Amino acid sequence: NAGVTQTPKFRILKIGQSMTLQCTQDMNHNYMYWYRQDPGMGLKLIYYSVGAGITDKGEVPNGYNVSRSTTEDFPLRLELAAPSQTSVYFCASSSENEQFFGPGTRLTVL
Amino acid sequence: QKEVEQNSGPLSVPEGAIASLNCTYSDRGSQSFFWYRQYSGKSPELIMSIYSNGDKEDGRFTAQLNKASQYVSLLIRDSQPSDSATYLCAARNQAGTALIFGKGTTLSVSS
Repeated sequence: NAGVTQTPKFRILKIGQSMTLQCTQDMNHNYMYWYRQDPGMGLKLIYYSVGAGITDKGEVPNGYNVSRSTTEDFPLRLELAAPSQTSVYFCASSSENEQFFGPGTRLTVL
Repeated sequence: QKEVEQNSGPLSVPEGAIASLNCTYSDRGSQSFFWYRQYSGKSPELIMSIYSNGDKEDGRFTAQLNKASQYVSLLIRDSQPSDSATYLCAARNQAGTALIFGKGTTLSVSS
């Protein structure tokens, strides 16, 4: 199993540009999550999904959108990138309890 | 706002010593707790989970849970330089839908 995969690994955006961060898991997990991690800070939940077709907001959803059309994929969309969205983004998946993380996407907005 | 609190450190221990990492949580409804290790520039890696009061041992790691005191700890025996990392404590929220993470404790093990 590849586990949780994320693309791209790195990206630089200009203010106002849009992009989609991709996340795929091959563990048949129902739950999937998007977090952001700023330097010296813990993980902040952006959005989560408890199954295909179901998404919900986390602690810091503003400026982001998600969709969950399949069990495997959970893309995160940034519509109008802002410098405040400069961060490392982690996708995670879980069955009932333990969450497993992808390798992360380092995003810089200039 | 439900929170998980950790001392940010750094916690410095010599090689071979016991490292003790602590965490408190505010959501009394939390039933599941996790310790993740995160090396610089890498993603969090699950090292321990604990669901019941008491101790749970796995190799050099022991997780301890006290739900009455809302306290979780992680002991690392025979600490190695390779244990140097940031350790994140997490509690599952009462709804069971998400984990709440602390900001992490940085551990430095010197040889």
